[in-house]
Amino acid sequence: DGGITQSPKYLFRKEGQNVTLSCEQNLNHDAMYWYRQDPGQGLRLIYYSQIVNDFQKGDIAEGYSVSREKKESFPLTVTSAQKNPTAFYLCASSSNTGQSRETQYFGPGTRLLVL
Amino acid sequence: GDSVTQMEGPVTLSEEAFLTINCTYTATGYPSLFWYVQYPGEGLQLLLKATKADDKGSNKGFEATYRKETTSFHLEKGSVQVSDSAVYFCALRGTQGGSEKLVFGKGMKLTVNP
Repeated sequence: DGGITQSPKYLFRKEGQNVTLSCEQNLNHDAMYWYRQDPGQGLRLIYYSQIVNDFQKGDIAEGYSVSREKKESFPLTVTSAQKNPTAFYLCASSSNTGQSRETQYFGPGTRLLVL
Repeated sequence: GDSVTQMEGPVTLSEEAFLTINCTYTATGYPSLFWYVQYPGEGLQLLLKATKADDKGSNKGFEATYRKETTSFHLEKGSVQVSDSAVYFCALRGTQGGSEKLVFGKGMKLTVNP
């Protein structure tokens, strides 16, 4: 089955630690996105990538970093510079062509908690 | 910049009640409009979409019509079920630079009681 997988489902971060969230898709989509969801605030865009080896900052990129070395993978690193990392993180992807090119498809999410 | 304003709730309804969730937007040009649904502990799923004025999106008994004159995309369902309990997000995809991004409303939590 085609889809988007995120791992782990829950992640715990210690003070001063960098952690990496995984996002993999087998939909052959060119574009991938990372969102952060906080209660009552909807979704906010962290980073996005339209093609391999290229990515752009979203609205709240500070304290986060990404890479896009392969089409199917878009890992997100939450660095120690992110002072309030507790949130639900959602990865999404979309095609750049065809009728469905405007639709983003989401993974199941990773909940990050600070110890 | 582009923005979406939607009813925030939470809202509690009885089974078989009529549902309306209001959504209005601000955007330049003709954005595409979406409703996404999020069930507890899960990611978002596309519920329906409309890409031009007067288009009606529909799915699973839900409907929404793209109204350019009122810049609205209200979600409706004639008879809700317990299984419709979820958080509903209205979103738009703009037509200007950086339009790859989706802009979301804050979401509305719906609980349907038997």
